Amino acid sequence: RKEVEQDPGPFNVPEGATVAFNCTYSNSASQSFFWYRQDCRKEPKLLMSVYSSGNEDGRFTAQLNRASQYISLLIRDSKLSDSATYLCVVNIAFNKFYFGSGTKLNVKP
Amino acid sequence: DVKVTQSSRYLVKRTGEKVFLECVQDMDHENMFWYRQDPGLGLRLIYFSYDVKMKEKGDIPEGYSVSREKKERFSLILESASTNQTSMYLCASSFISTSSSYEQYFGPGTRLTVT
Repeated sequence: RKEVEQDPGPFNVPEGATVAFNCTYSNSASQSFFWYRQDCRKEPKLLMSVYSSGNEDGRFTAQLNRASQYISLLIRDSKLSDSATYLCVVNIAFNKFYFGSGTKLNVKP
Repeated sequence: DVKVTQSSRYLVKRTGEKVFLECVQDMDHENMFWYRQDPGLGLRLIYFSYDVKMKEKGDIPEGYSVSREKKERFSLILESASTNQTSMYLCASSFISTSSSYEQYFGPGTRLTVT
């Protein structure tokens, strides 16, 4: 069983749409949670950390449900520039980061 | 801003060659990582280092070794390159953020092709 599971997509949405991605993790000892964005043939870049209370950064909202062991990312008012692959990342210890395979988002004009 | 740099963006090597991939971070981070990323397989950890001269094997260390002689530099070595080591290689460093979580930052990656 994979440590982190994501729907690979692709999610094809029009500009201005709201889109949500979910991710589940298997290790209940997981400590920290993140969403990364990865553009084609580039490195992953930290988009936002995910806190138990939920957090928002502009058009992006991240939620964590520890009881059900899932993490979500909501993108409102999608822009063409949001097209990328979104990676869910779980940190268990200082040396253990587990990555989902990524969810691909295509925002169309 | 955290800066992680890698010595090459693209590299083409022949089977059997010894290959060195260099990674440098300028933020005095203790922890550094080498991953490879392949389509459908995601990121897989090759090696991890938590201090100078200290290293731990990751999930797929076979065919690789590492060196960390200075805190800012972490090198990945392919002792005898093989075609199945054609991949995107990503270096990362991590630190404890103000929220007490370990955040990880990546270099731009090296796309290695072994022919």
